[in-house]
Amino acid sequence: GAGVSQSPRYKVAKRGQDVALRCDPISGHVSLFWYQQALGQGPEFLTYFQNEAQLDKSGLPSDRFFAERPEGSVSTLKIQRTQQEDSAVYLCASSFDRTHQGTEAFFGQGTRLTVV
Amino acid sequence: QKEVEQNSGPLSVPEGAIASLNCTYSDRGSQSFFWYRQYSGKSPELIMSIYSNGDKEDGRFTAQLNKASQYVSLLIRDSQPSDSATYLCAVTPTFSGGYNKLIFGAGTRLAVHP
Repeated sequence: GAGVSQSPRYKVAKRGQDVALRCDPISGHVSLFWYQQALGQGPEFLTYFQNEAQLDKSGLPSDRFFAERPEGSVSTLKIQRTQQEDSAVYLCASSFDRTHQGTEAFFGQGTRLTVV
Repeated sequence: QKEVEQNSGPLSVPEGAIASLNCTYSDRGSQSFFWYRQYSGKSPELIMSIYSNGDKEDGRFTAQLNKASQYVSLLIRDSQPSDSATYLCAVTPTFSGGYNKLIFGAGTRLAVHP
């Protein structure tokens, strides 16, 4: 596709429900990032994939958060037993080459998760 | 202390004026610096990147970097109402593993009024 595609755009979950957020990066992009953006804040790093390898998951807030990219393209961020504090916009970004300084990271439109 | 700090604003400037947006960062070893623009309800969009001390110009935008002072700024000349958005400063931390993991500030809201 022409850009990074995320689905769903909006998700309302009842507290305790599991959710899965999908990211379809730009074709051929090696690097894929997940960020969490709370209202009025900047995005915060969650996790990084280089192809199918998850090289950095230091930003995942708890073991309820899990991400995968099994074939090195589409990625899924899963949140188990959602809590109200998980309400945020979840942004996915991809870039072509991790080592090339200046490689632009393209962001998707995000998934707005509201936990009620 | 936050790793990347920005004044939340709003910064209000008249159309045609210069808007000056500032950012400080705490990781002295940071090497890559970015300015993203984010319209309300939209995703961040890269508008400038800078890696060495000094100025970098691109159209109406100029990024300025001073590593000794751990300070990066963005100037927008001839501001237009369409520039009204939140501007996010982002840096790559020292030990990023060779990939462009970004640490963002909270953003500065810019409002350009006619």
